[in-house]
Amino acid sequence: AQRVTQPEKLLSVFKGAPVELKCNYSYSGSPELFWYVQYSRQRLQLLLRHISRESIKGFTADLNKGETSFHLKKPFAQEEDSAMYYCALSSPTGNQFYFGTGTSLTVIP
Amino acid sequence: NAGVTQTPKFQVLKTGQSMTLQCAQDMNHNSMYWYRQDPGMGLRLIYYSASEGTTDKGEVPNGYNVSRLNKREFSLRLESAAPSQTSVYFCASPLWRGCTDTQYFGPGTRLTVL
Repeated sequence: AQRVTQPEKLLSVFKGAPVELKCNYSYSGSPELFWYVQYSRQRLQLLLRHISRESIKGFTADLNKGETSFHLKKPFAQEEDSAMYYCALSSPTGNQFYFGTGTSLTVIP
Repeated sequence: NAGVTQTPKFQVLKTGQSMTLQCAQDMNHNSMYWYRQDPGMGLRLIYYSASEGTTDKGEVPNGYNVSRLNKREFSLRLESAAPSQTSVYFCASPLWRGCTDTQYFGPGTRLTVL
């Protein structure tokens, strides 16, 4: 069963425009949700996680348990935000991770 | 503190050949993972190791074996490579629930099986 769904494979926005990358999940219990980013020719790295409720590089994500969503948002996109973004879910014990298929974000100058 | 290191970075194999991907972490984490990344499939878990001496299957373990040599090292072996195993492989040392450590991924190994 697909645990993490990212419906958009490709997303293009203009510089300065708001951006939202969608993520929905299915998991019983209390998973932890994450967003990972992979810039061109760089390793995958953690962007943010819901338990810390932090904002990294202007991105935020709110966990909506009712809608089982964890969408990633940024009010004003920058060219350096162009990258591959993965939504991920961790089991409560932290021993299992499930990733979405990723969304490739392109910010147009 | 190098985080997670992987070798090799690139590899080309012929069908039926064997090879071992090496992974090491210097963060003293108990858990380590192997993933493969394929276009349109995202990251899929092959095997994971919750602690030294233990390994468990993930989503796509067929065709692979792993070995948790010690706390630092977690290797992935392809005994008889197949073209379907052409992929980018990532080793990771994950976040623990309630822990403030950040999950780290290795730089990846791009494997092509001809």
